[in-house]
Order: sequence, then C-alpha cells, then structure tokens
Amino acid sequence: AQTVTQSQPEMSVQEAETVTLSCTYDTSESDYYLFWYKQPPSRQMILVIRQEAYKQQNATENRFSVNFQKAAKSFSLKISDSQLGDAAMYFCAYKPLDTDKLIFGTGTRLQVFP
Amino acid sequence: DTGVSQDPRHKITKRGQNVTFRCDPISEHNRLYWYRQTLGQGPEFLTYFQNEAQLEKSRLLSDRFSAERPKGSFSTLEIQRTEQGDSAMYLCASSPRGGEKLFFGSGTQLSVL
Repeated sequence: AQTVTQSQPEMSVQEAETVTLSCTYDTSESDYYLFWYKQPPSRQMILVIRQEAYKQQNATENRFSVNFQKAAKSFSLKISDSQLGDAAMYFCAYKPLDTDKLIFGTGTRLQVFP
Repeated sequence: DTGVSQDPRHKITKRGQNVTFRCDPISEHNRLYWYRQTLGQGPEFLTYFQNEAQLEKSRLLSDRFSAERPKGSFSTLEIQRTEQGDSAMYLCASSPRGGEKLFFGSGTQLSVL
C-alpha cells in the first residue's frame, strides 16, 4: 500500500530563518506526483509546491523549495526567509499516475515566532 | 474565479439524522473531489467525479454515504443515519484536469452528538 509519513508533528522557526519539513513515502511505482499543501486556520488547503517524480530537478516556488530524493523516497520542504503568514499545518501528499486520488500524510504544524 | 465554496460551514446534528452538504466547484473545472479530515489527520479520499460521472469511491464511503453531481456542476454529499464516528471536516476540491492541482474549499465541519 502507498503511504506518506510526516514524522514531525510540530516545528517552529524564527521569522526570517529557514526551516525544513520532512516527508517520506512508500510506493512501488516509478512515476508519480508529490505535493506540499498548506492548511491555515481558515481550513482551506492551498497548494504550495508540486514535483513530478520523473523530473530530477527539485521544484522551487519563490521561498519554497523541495529536496526530492527518489531512491530514498524522501520529499522535504524548505521554507526560506520564514514569515508569520507561513504558520499553518503542512501536508505532504502523493498521487500515482493511474488515479486522481491524493494520499496525505498526517501533517506538520509550523509555528513562526517574531 | 470565486473559488470552491462549501455550504454549510458548520453542521451539528443528532445521531441518526441525515445531513447533506453542498459543494460548488470553480466553474470551468470538470473534476470534483470529496475528502474527509478528522482531528490530527490528513485528508482521506472519499470519491471523485469527472463531470457528472462518479469515477472512483473509497471503501471509506459506506452505504450510508452517497454523493451526486447532477449536470456536472455542483455536488452534494449525503450521510444517512449519522453516527458519532462521522464527525469530521468534509472537504471538497475541484480541478481542471487530472488531479495535478486541486483547489480546495474551506470545508464543512460536521459534529454528530
């Protein structure tokens, strides 16, 4: 079965500093998608960044970047220059190519301190 | 683009009652998804539609749950004979194509007393 594991229930970072959130997954597929979603207190899940498994280059979106290690099945999210508005739950998710179903991890709560 | 809207935002019901939630996707999106999220967990897939066709259902979706998307526009999720274990947030999302980028609503928080 395909699973997603986020081993850090909570993380904290000082404003303007950098933080890395961990995610590992289990799959026997060679092609798939990986995502990081942010869920602020408003509850609306927002896509932060997406990675296609066949692409070796790590995805980047402004202050957000990933470290995708396919062999290790690891997909960490790095947030640079952290801002107060980054405080939220962050969910890692996996999607195989043959279905539209996302499989989510249990999330990491990120606190940002001024 | 008004985003995905869900109604109601909160619903409190007594065990055994039926409830219905509504989701209005982004208008040009042909795919619509329902997920359930319990406290401390990530969202779990329930079902999805392409236009009006329901293409996949999770085993989590017992026979007390039914979802529809008439005419491929809004969708409803009905839970019959609610149980306390149904208490959760029900999230709706839509996508213009194959799930590569989902746009989520703010969810309906269900509390079964």
